Amino acid sequence: QVQLVQSGAEVKKPGASVKVSCKASGYTFTKYAMYWVRQAPGQRPEWMGRIYTGNGNAEYSEKFQGRVTITRDTSASTAYMELSGLRSEDTAVYFCARGTYCGVTSCSFDYWGQGTLVTVSS
Amino acid sequence: DIQMTQSPSTLSASVGDRVTITCRASQSISSWLAWYQQKPGTAPTLLIYDVSKLTSGVPSRFSGSGSGTEFTLTISSLQPDDFATYFCQQYDTYGTFGQGTKVEIK
Repeated sequence: QVQLVQSGAEVKKPGASVKVSCKASGYTFTKYAMYWVRQAPGQRPEWMGRIYTGNGNAEYSEKFQGRVTITRDTSASTAYMELSGLRSEDTAVYFCARGTYCGVTSCSFDYWGQGTLVTVSS
Repeated sequence: DIQMTQSPSTLSASVGDRVTITCRASQSISSWLAWYQQKPGTAPTLLIYDVSKLTSGVPSRFSGSGSGTEFTLTISSLQPDDFATYFCQQYDTYGTFGQGTKVEIK
């Protein structure tokens, strides 16, 4: 069965960076793009970016451009999301999600990781 | 950016009620619209994609309709397991979500 398993919760100080991993199993990793979505407490989910796992090309939301880097390791079927210059407003649960049913430039997400809580606090 | 606006933000209903949630896009998104259900402390679950296609395992009491800029999610007979928050998502251009509709017990 398809599973996306993320790394554990993180507590970071303002200005630091965080790197979250997402290990995929149960399907061919390189056949689906992997997306990263975050959700602050009580807020709507927010699209951060995606990586085409086959060729490694990544694309980012304008909001996070310059602060976020998405990479993948095909040998480990794992995607990574690194966010730098952390501030208190970045406190949120970060999800990876598999893109399956796709439109023109993006997809809906049929499988999600369990989420990783990132807390930014001095 | 395409903005997604849901209404209502909160909906109070009883088991057996017919429930309708509306989602409006700031510009046309063709049929690239999905609906998710989310329960506290868990990831969203995909219910419907391409406006009206049910994901495998989703009960037939859920249905979706619409096109262009206006879309609806309908639950024909609300069940106890359906009390949750629902989000729409456009995936025409990147992927923005609506602000959510919390369906609570009346």
